[in-house]
Amino acid sequence: EIVLTQSPATLSLSPGEGATLSCRASQSVSSYLAWFQQKPGQAPRLLIYDASNRAAGIPARFSGSGSGTDFTLTISSLEPEDFAVYYCQHRSNWPLTFGGGTKVEIK
Amino acid sequence: EVQLLESGGALVQPGGSLRLSCAASGFTFSSYAMSWVRQAPGKGLEWVSSFTGTGDNTNYADSVKGRFTISRDNSKNTLYLQMNSLRAEDTAVYYCAKAISGTYFESWGQGTLVTVSS
Repeated sequence: EIVLTQSPATLSLSPGEGATLSCRASQSVSSYLAWFQQKPGQAPRLLIYDASNRAAGIPARFSGSGSGTDFTLTISSLEPEDFAVYYCQHRSNWPLTFGGGTKVEIK
Repeated sequence: EVQLLESGGALVQPGGSLRLSCAASGFTFSSYAMSWVRQAPGKGLEWVSSFTGTGDNTNYADSVKGRFTISRDNSKNTLYLQMNSLRAEDTAVYYCAKAISGTYFESWGQGTLVTVSS
């Protein structure tokens, strides 16, 4: 089973600041990595798939990069609606796994 | 517009059974891989089971293998999850999800809560 480790666990930032979230895989997942956003009481929303492709309707301030074992989700300038929990997920092999999440909170 | 509506969640005793349903609309259901993902209260996301592609290939997390069965009825645009021998650790909100590229969860339902407790 591939373990995805996200860091930091919590990121305290102000609106307008940039955010950099990390996801590290215990073994290579090639580019088969996705990022999700989840707000309290809501279902997750797909942001990025195949490491760097934005899903439909996702604003350009969200970008993904990386391959192999190290991946990054970057939010260029935080909007108030971006404060949420973010998860990474791989689809390299079975079982599919998620990272433990990074909470982006308002400073 | 893609819509996924889960139902069937309930309070059930340990060892009991439950069947979850997910009614899909707004897309050609039979053409997409579908999955179940769960989230225990206050915890992260856990993949449970998937139909990969449009055929009969299925996969399960080790934590549910042999106890849960995923199925689909393309004539009813509905995905199911039969859950047997339920345990306290199965307590979670269960989401169904439409997949792209087979196993990226593009669209999600609102979830249905399963509570396993005596």
